Amino acid sequence: LAKTTQPISMDSYEGQEVNITCSHNNIATNDYITWYQQFPSQGPRFIIQGYKTKVTNEVASLFIPADRKSSTLSLPRVSLSDTAVYYCLVGDGNAGNMLTFGGGTRLMVKP
Amino acid sequence: DAGVIQSPRHEVTEMGQEVTLRCKPISGHNSLFWYRQTMMRGLELLIYFNNNVPIDDSGMPEDRFSAKMPNASFSTLKIQPSEPRDSAVYFCASSLLLASGELFFGEGSRLTVL
Repeated sequence: LAKTTQPISMDSYEGQEVNITCSHNNIATNDYITWYQQFPSQGPRFIIQGYKTKVTNEVASLFIPADRKSSTLSLPRVSLSDTAVYYCLVGDGNAGNMLTFGGGTRLMVKP
Repeated sequence: DAGVIQSPRHEVTEMGQEVTLRCKPISGHNSLFWYRQTMMRGLELLIYFNNNVPIDDSGMPEDRFSAKMPNASFSTLKIQPSEPRDSAVYFCASSLLLASGELFFGEGSRLTVL
């Protein structure tokens, strides 16, 4: 099971781009990378998933280098409402190995 | 779709009482998951089902915890007897496929055991 490491917390200001990096040095060939967002008093919400290179949706972009040992979640022009905890998960989905949440990164967006 | 529906949203009970948490997954989803979240331990996977069958319950902390999924639209997590250390937010989630990695979470049930 690939272990993930993320910064515990990050601060940013409204309008800035925020990049949160997740390390997963022992990622396996078939593993995907998934990011979730959790607001206070709510359940986590799926943001984005990728395997390699770059994935973009209406919420975020996910950058994955060629060696796949890390990934970066990019949030463009954050607002106060982006204050949340962001989790990085790694796994291939088999045997439920994409279900383990680590400590996440607590992002605080300031005015 | 209404999303994953959990009840009750809040429950306060006394030590030793039985607690039953309920979950209705998104219609058509084949997998259901129960998580527990505390400040100390974060989000912990307790058990998950695929096609109503329990697949992995290794996260269930003790025999006091049990979970059932009698049909595709309903699951329960029961704690009997409850203890103060069981106080947490319990989340239910469902996914279309077990291997998709895209879980849809409910709003959680906040349990306080006095």
